[in-house]
Amino acid sequence: DAGITQSPRHKVTETGTPVTLRCHQTENHRYMYWYRQDPGHGLRLIHYSYGVKDTDKGEVSDGYSVSRSKTEDFLLTLESATSSQTSVYFCAISESRPGGEEQYFGPGTRLTVT
Amino acid sequence: GQQLNQSPQSMFIQEGEDVSMNCTSSSIFNTWLWYKQDPGEGPVLLIALYKAGELTSNGRLTAQFGITRKDSFLNISASIPSDVGIYFCAGLYQYNFNKFYFGSGTKLNVKP
Repeated sequence: DAGITQSPRHKVTETGTPVTLRCHQTENHRYMYWYRQDPGHGLRLIHYSYGVKDTDKGEVSDGYSVSRSKTEDFLLTLESATSSQTSVYFCAISESRPGGEEQYFGPGTRLTVT
Repeated sequence: GQQLNQSPQSMFIQEGEDVSMNCTSSSIFNTWLWYKQDPGEGPVLLIALYKAGELTSNGRLTAQFGITRKDSFLNISASIPSDVGIYFCAGLYQYNFNKFYFGSGTKLNVKP
């Protein structure tokens, strides 16, 4: 299994509060991603990083920000949580290598915004 | 963004039967990945495909990278109850390096 951990694994928070989710990898992979998974929508990309301090938006980035100050850590922040951000959040990592790319997922964080 | 059409959306089969599912895209991909997700867990990578026409097996699972590079297929032979889960395809779009696109998933149910 790829060395990816996410914390916390479960969180309940109130509308309007800031929330930060953490992804930590031990694989030294260059690329890191945050996805959200909702019924009927599958996996949707929020933000991704292609190196330390290098990040870009995905398809559902509104209301989210990210930071990557070290190769191994990628933080996702909900600036002011809303009920529509109730979801399961997955971190993933990938690396370019000769022959192809593979992407590995963390165990997920279940976030409930009340 | 790029759309991946995955079918079927769900399947109900008897233990021992073979299963086929596929993903199609309107655009060319240069990598196809297949994942399985169990309830409450993250997707687990099953098979990775890198060349058009490539056929790769992982135990009872076989996946193929379509010749047109716009589709991929996953077959599961002799299904067993632990095959239950959601199977996702993912594609790497050749002009968006390291940005993956996902199908909506095939939910597999296996009756003992």
